[in-house]
Amino acid sequence: SYVLTQPPSLSVDPGETARISCGGNGLETRSVHWYQQKPGHAPLLVIYSDRDRPSGVPGRFSGSSSGNTATLIISRVEVEDEADYYCQVYDSSSDWVFGGGTKLTVV
Amino acid sequence: EVQLEQSGAEVKKPGESLRISCKGSGYTFSDYWISWVRQLPGKGLEWMARIDASDSYSLYSPSFEGHVTVSVDRSINKAYLQWGSLNTSDTALYFCARHSVTTSYGMGVWGQGTMVTVSS
Repeated sequence: SYVLTQPPSLSVDPGETARISCGGNGLETRSVHWYQQKPGHAPLLVIYSDRDRPSGVPGRFSGSSSGNTATLIISRVEVEDEADYYCQVYDSSSDWVFGGGTKLTVV
Repeated sequence: EVQLEQSGAEVKKPGESLRISCKGSGYTFSDYWISWVRQLPGKGLEWMARIDASDSYSLYSPSFEGHVTVSVDRSINKAYLQWGSLNTSDTALYFCARHSVTTSYGMGVWGQGTMVTVSS
């Protein structure tokens, strides 16, 4: 089955840039989506198709993908960005696949 | 406003059956797929199954196939996730999410989640 690998945790200071990675074989051939989940809430799509941002998502959120790694970039991090972040792809053999999630702490 | 409204929390005993629901509104229900996603306490997201609301064609993760069944009732714009016999290991938060047949757009609309607790 297809596997997406994320770092379990990341800590950044307010105002800094957070970069959350997501690794997977042949990732460059797949569309990567990113979700933000705050405690007690449903996931929220923040980036789709590697780098596109749904309406309503702040411009501080962006995405990139190269080779076997996709990256969610949060610029000028705010305290409200503290959450769990998940990457996701569709794989023809495994169907929808989520990464293990990264807990972003804004210290 | 496009919404998915899920049924309320459930407390069940091992071996009991259960069906939870997800009602779509604000869009043409049959134009999209509905996926179900499990989140074990303190853990990450796991895709369970998806169903085409237009024709009820469904696909399951091998991890869940045979243990759960997904269905839709297009007349009332509802999708369902059901268990014939619950285990304590089914205790989790379950989300429904909407997506198109094109996988390029991700899951843009989610229900609020249904907490299922299975305990003797």
